[in-house]
Amino acid sequence: DAKTTQPPSMDCAEGRAANLPCNHSTISGNEYVYWYRQIHSQGPQYIIHGLKNNETNEMASLIITEDRKSSTLILPHATLRDTAVYYCIVKEGGSEKLVFGKGTKLTVNP
Amino acid sequence: DAMVIQNPRYQVTQFGKPVTLSCSQTLNHNVMYWYQQKSSQAPKLLFHYYDKDFNNEADTPDNFQSRRPNTSFCFLDIRSPGLGDAAMYLCATSGGYQETQYFGPGTRLLVL
Repeated sequence: DAKTTQPPSMDCAEGRAANLPCNHSTISGNEYVYWYRQIHSQGPQYIIHGLKNNETNEMASLIITEDRKSSTLILPHATLRDTAVYYCIVKEGGSEKLVFGKGTKLTVNP
Repeated sequence: DAMVIQNPRYQVTQFGKPVTLSCSQTLNHNVMYWYQQKSSQAPKLLFHYYDKDFNNEADTPDNFQSRRPNTSFCFLDIRSPGLGDAAMYLCATSGGYQETQYFGPGTRLLVL
């Protein structure tokens, strides 16, 4: 079973920041937080991951709370092409498995 | 660009007729995965290969099998497809268990 809880859907205006929350209250010390997104009828796309420090790359920023029980994915300037289902996944470092939850359907509106 | 390739993107088969889906990668990754994603559901791992070692998930039906003849290619064989096997099949690769998984575009299977 997925170890994360996400809102089923969110809306965001084009050009604004999209902040997608994720709860993972049972996360353990060696588990990473991964974010993927899946645009309709395509394969999941890796976005970012982190262990306890905040991370940033060219796609997004990941903010992890100090107790690691929740995190937020930030898309700084959302575009229409960012409309997708966003999955937050908790994965043990040495585990082979990505266990996908239901994700958040983000709709970016013009 | 290094990538994960799945062919075909769409596959139609008949009930009970064996079908093979293919995946290839130019990333030279050790691990190759097959996920099944049914309509409006999240992807679910079926099995994976770490090099030549095959690892099956406990709840993967016996109807599903896989082959990995070399590092670059991995096949998903469905011996006798049922209507319930209609889904998107996703191939992914990673350099190792601790490394990020990268997905292909998927093959959508339709069973008539």
